[in-house]
Amino acid sequence: DTEVTQTPKHLVMGMTNKKSLKCEQHMGHRAMYWYKQKAKKPPELMFVYSYEKLSINESVPSRFSPECPNSSLLNLHLHALQPEDSALYLCASSQRDRGYTFGSGTRLTVV
Amino acid sequence: AQKITQTQPGMFVQEKEAVTLDCTYDTSDQSYGLFWYKQPSSGEMIFLIYQGSYDEQNATEGRYSLNFQKARKSANLVISASQLGDSAMYFCAMREVNQAGTALIFGKGTTLSVSS
Repeated sequence: DTEVTQTPKHLVMGMTNKKSLKCEQHMGHRAMYWYKQKAKKPPELMFVYSYEKLSINESVPSRFSPECPNSSLLNLHLHALQPEDSALYLCASSQRDRGYTFGSGTRLTVV
Repeated sequence: AQKITQTQPGMFVQEKEAVTLDCTYDTSDQSYGLFWYKQPSSGEMIFLIYQGSYDEQNATEGRYSLNFQKARKSANLVISASQLGDSAMYFCAMREVNQAGTALIFGKGTTLSVSS
């Protein structure tokens, strides 16, 4: 299995909702990442988990809450988002700093 | 801080022609890695090619090759014999290393349009 699987593919949520994005990989990669990407812009790093521990938080607002329950799973919990948080959220995993594999992303719309 | 620069917002090419997408980078690290990704409108980031700073030969993967000029800090992607399916956004990226960990940082991207 050489894939990173993200669910759901599309999500529409209200500003008072709580929702979660899920990312799963079974390649044995020990680093996992969340990126946020606005239309026609490059992906921007949000969080990095290394060996299930949060190692990088790029000053992301607390309405985004990451979680890494085990080495294969990465979640992003969303609460009280704003319309400007609408974007494509990409998950990635890597091993030995060379092979970075991305999921197909979750397109989030906040209404 | 590391930085990736892609100066071509858009490139246009006809089928079967070759095209070069430019990428320059800035780093003070001796060991680094450079990546190219393709992103079609569906959103998936597709890995194309990798070049390590100590690799002596330019990387090649099928129709993709990387023109790596270390002294000029450039890592241009060459696509030979363009196909309609090559139309997409292309990102150059570098592995960034700091005390907290490592991650990929991306250039602004180049939109490639291939016409018949």
